[in-house]
Amino acid sequence: DIQLTQSPPSLSASVGDRATITCRASQNIDTYLNWYQHKPGGKGPKLLIYAVSTLQSGVPSRFSGSGFGTDFNLTITSVQPEDFATYYCQQSFDTTSITFGQGTRLEIE
Amino acid sequence: EVHLVESGGGLAQPGRSLRLSCSASGFNFDDYAMHWVRQAPGKGLEWVSGISWNSGDTVYADSVKGRFTISRDNAKNSLYLQMNSLTPEDTGLYFCAKLLAAAGTGPFDYWGQGTLVTVSS
Repeated sequence: DIQLTQSPPSLSASVGDRATITCRASQNIDTYLNWYQHKPGGKGPKLLIYAVSTLQSGVPSRFSGSGFGTDFNLTITSVQPEDFATYYCQQSFDTTSITFGQGTRLEIE
Repeated sequence: EVHLVESGGGLAQPGRSLRLSCSASGFNFDDYAMHWVRQAPGKGLEWVSGISWNSGDTVYADSVKGRFTISRDNAKNSLYLQMNSLTPEDTGLYFCAKLLAAAGTGPFDYWGQGTLVTVSS
């Protein structure tokens, strides 16, 4: 199975800060890398970015993604109060075994 | 508007079975692959299983292979997960999720709110 390692596990930020989360794959996954935001309270995760850098419809432009192969980043250029949540990367390169990173919790500083 | 609503969760003893359902609306259900993803208490997301639009292809995580069976009824716009030989490690919130693209691989663009499964004696 392809392992995804996110860093940091948690990140403290203030409103207006720039925040970057990294996701490293255990092997080359080309551009099959997606990012989700998940908030507690009985809702499923929200797709933010797919295929490394394509913004899902309705997602604010302060979110962006970059990378290729094994190293990927999710960046929030100016963190807003509604952005405090847990973020997951996901690889869809291996269609027989989809995997997620362990998550990065973005917390208010 | 796309809606996915899971049901069927509850408390089960180890070794017993549960059947989860996911009712879909707001899109052409029979055009899309569907998947199940779970989240154990205090843990991250774990992909469980997926099924192609016509049920021709099914895939499973190693942790559930041989115990869980995914299926769908396109006439009823419904997805199912039959869970047998449950263990406490199967405890968690189970989400159904729709694939963004009509076929192949890719991200999940819509998720349900989840149904809670608790396996305990």
